[in-house]
Amino acid sequence: EPEVTQTPSHQVTQMGQEVILRCVPISNHLYFYWYRQILGQKVEFLVSFYNNEISEKSEIFDDQFSVERPDGSNFTLKIRSTKLEDSAMYFCASRVSGAYNEQFFGPGTRLTVL
Amino acid sequence: ILNVEQSPQSLHVQEGDSTNFTCSFPSSNFYALHWYRWETAKSPEALFVMTLNGDEKKKGRISATLNTKEGYSYLYIKGSQPEDSATYLCAFIPISNFGNEKLTFGTGTRLTIIP
Repeated sequence: EPEVTQTPSHQVTQMGQEVILRCVPISNHLYFYWYRQILGQKVEFLVSFYNNEISEKSEIFDDQFSVERPDGSNFTLKIRSTKLEDSAMYFCASRVSGAYNEQFFGPGTRLTVL
Repeated sequence: ILNVEQSPQSLHVQEGDSTNFTCSFPSSNFYALHWYRWETAKSPEALFVMTLNGDEKKKGRISATLNTKEGYSYLYIKGSQPEDSATYLCAFIPISNFGNEKLTFGTGTRLTIIP
């Protein structure tokens, strides 16, 4: 059964460093998302991506964040200069086009910023 | 800011017992409500996408109902088994998010089944 994959499963970085979180969505999906969950808080939306451009972004998704779909398979989230408060579990999700379709989530990348 | 809440936050249930928990969401501008099951170290797994007032959906021992007029959805598990232990998340989509369909999540209910 097709699934969304994410790498790495855990990333530890120093404050101020750049990180790239990688996702491989399901191949026929057209909508892509990043969500995150800070420990003890709700899962929150970061950004959605459709037709090779950002379709919506949250207030969290400031200039330090960027997303890219460099080829036909990968979908990446880059944080240019990490802060302590960026420590969270980051989830990638994808779905087919059309209304009311479920989003398929990856297992997440746990980012720890020291 | 959309207020999506779940209760209880955690629940311990004896194996074999049935249980239910609640997701509440804004009753105006409803578009869809998703339920997800999330086991530790695994991907959140979609259970149901609820779209119409009065919807009732079922998957094995798990079922869900939807009341959009009063802004709540119930998830029921019949005859709990140890493998039902997980966090159950609901996620709301208002009509303003039609097309993009970004999810606004509740706090989750952490269910532990006691053998």
